[in-house]
Amino acid sequence: AQKITQTQPGMFVQEKEAVTLDCTYDTSDQSYGLFWYKQPSSGEMIFLIYQGSYDEQNATEGRYSLNFQKARKSANLVISASQLGDSAMYFCAMSFTGGGNKLTFGTGTQLKVEL
Amino acid sequence: DGGITQSPKYLFRKEGQNVTLSCEQNLNHDAMYWYRQDPGQGLRLIYYSQIVNDFQKGDIAEGYSVSREKKESFPLTVTSAQKNPTAFYLCASSMGLVYNEQFFGPGTRLTVL
Repeated sequence: AQKITQTQPGMFVQEKEAVTLDCTYDTSDQSYGLFWYKQPSSGEMIFLIYQGSYDEQNATEGRYSLNFQKARKSANLVISASQLGDSAMYFCAMSFTGGGNKLTFGTGTQLKVEL
Repeated sequence: DGGITQSPKYLFRKEGQNVTLSCEQNLNHDAMYWYRQDPGQGLRLIYYSQIVNDFQKGDIAEGYSVSREKKESFPLTVTSAQKNPTAFYLCASSMGLVYNEQFFGPGTRLTVL
């Protein structure tokens, strides 16, 4: 079975600083995908970034990058130059071959950006 | 605009009543999903459908039912058999191919009185 672990229930960061949100996963599959989603207080889930297990380069999307360490089974999200609007809940999720693109989610990290 | 709509935004139900949550998408996506989110928790999969007239149970399907008669629509019924239905319900869709990102609707917050 697949499992996602996010060990940081809450994080604080100052505006314009970078922050890393941790995510580790457990799977016996060789082929899988890793996703990060943002959930503002409104509740809607917003897709941020994707990393495939066979991708050699770390994924980047604007201010978001994914620090993928396959041997350690970690897929940490790095947000550069934090903005007040980045304050939200962040979820790491995984899909796997044969899973029909179903997602398994972690419990999330609440990020608060301060002035 | 293309997207996913869910209605209603807030729903109140008395114990013992069935209630149906609506989910519609105009993204021409093949796959659709229903998730449940409890306070302080991640999302858990209830049901998913990869094509019309076909759907599969997720991790917590007991007490729920779905239908997929049209590509655009994937309604979820919360039955009286669901012992603890108060939660935030999110519908999503994707192209259906493995590793495609899922696009989410705004959610329905269900409260059982």
